[in-house]
Amino acid sequence: QQQVKQSPQSLIVQKGGISIINCAYENTAFDYFPWYQQFPGKGPALLIAIRPDVSEKKEGRFTISFNKSAKQFSLHIMDSQPGDSATYFCAAGNMLTFGGGTRLMVKP
Amino acid sequence: GAGVSQSPSNKVTEKGKDVELRCDPISGHTALYWYRQSLGQGLEFLIYFQGNSAPDKSGLPSDRFSAERTGGSVSTLTIQRTQQEDSAVYLCASSLDGRRVFFGPGTRLLVL
Repeated sequence: QQQVKQSPQSLIVQKGGISIINCAYENTAFDYFPWYQQFPGKGPALLIAIRPDVSEKKEGRFTISFNKSAKQFSLHIMDSQPGDSATYFCAAGNMLTFGGGTRLMVKP
Repeated sequence: GAGVSQSPSNKVTEKGKDVELRCDPISGHTALYWYRQSLGQGLEFLIYFQGNSAPDKSGLPSDRFSAERTGGSVSTLTIQRTQQEDSAVYLCASSLDGRRVFFGPGTRLLVL
């Protein structure tokens, strides 16, 4: 049972554009929602995280939007740069149930 | 400070052989996780340790897979009688609070 569904699987964005990745979860007991960034050959690294008692969290160019009633959350990357090209994973809960990943390519 | 380290970084083995993968978590981190990532795929949860105990082994794909953790620190993931479908990157992660989880670089396993 896939408890976290992530979309799209791949995304191509022009430099300077906005990248948006979406996740939907099923288990209402989840209380922590991180996003991880993974470069080829490396392990995932925590990018930004949110708790369900807030609707938005912003860190630099990265923003998480959280909709508790819809059981959805999304990652927005503003002013996307070629260096942001990586695979992004959403996750939920203490055990880190992961979404399937989104491969982002930012074209110069 | 040192992050999570894993060894070996790469392992090539023959079908039917046993392999051991090692994880050294960040010092003081009580929680330790193992995940598997197949080529171009997402992260599959395998097992979780809190201290030396494994309260959640639900992700282990078969009885060929086992893991242990000693001294609340180093963990070993053992795969017996490896199969070609075991080929993947095995990632270890550790956490102090069960929230901020830090991943190691992974062990790339290839079963021929």
